[in-house]
Amino acid sequence: QKEVEQDPGPLSVPEGAIVSLNCTYSNSAFQYFMWYRQYSRKGPELLMYTYSSGNKEDGRFTAQVDKSSKYISLFIRDSQPSDSATYLCAMSLGAAGNKLTFGGGTRVLVKP
Amino acid sequence: NAGVMQNPRHLVRRRGQEARLRCSPMKGHSHVYWYRQLPEEGLKFMVYLQKENIIDESGMPKERFSAEFPKEGPSILRIQQVVRGDSAAYFCASSPGGGGGQPQHFGDGTRLSIL
Repeated sequence: QKEVEQDPGPLSVPEGAIVSLNCTYSNSAFQYFMWYRQYSRKGPELLMYTYSSGNKEDGRFTAQVDKSSKYISLFIRDSQPSDSATYLCAMSLGAAGNKLTFGGGTRVLVKP
Repeated sequence: NAGVMQNPRHLVRRRGQEARLRCSPMKGHSHVYWYRQLPEEGLKFMVYLQKENIIDESGMPKERFSAEFPKEGPSILRIQQVVRGDSAAYFCASSPGGGGGQPQHFGDGTRLSIL
């Protein structure tokens, strides 16, 4: 079993819809949780960065972390065709080690 | 461009040759990480370096792979005697510090193809 599980998709939504993405993980020691966006042939771009449980909002993006369930989510409101990309969740142990453990990524397609 | 710079963007090598991948971190960042993305797989951690020190190489294959981050100049990931299975995208990330509260920013990667 992978340490971080993420549905590969593709997830297809109409423009303007809410995109809902999630990851589950097995290591309860993870402390920091990130979402990256990756366009084809480009590097991952950091979207959201959260510590421990709770919600964080930034513009059209909302990240949620539920450590008791080992479950994290990313919501994208008012989705645009430019949001079409692969979304990667990542997490780290924090003080015990800063290497990132990634999910496999979910491919999202926003149709005009 | 003040982002993480990787070069070359594309590198083609024949089996048995050496590959050298370079990474210049963001300005003000002294911590560098290398990750590998194999076809149809996610990003996997390889090595974490500070200037002149390897901090964590737990993801690095034991043979043929080495990394350095000298006092001056970019970080180098070196793959000796490349094999077909080394074909992948190699990404470098940097952060200003090494604690868990330091987000990592990525370059656009080097795509290595082995003939």
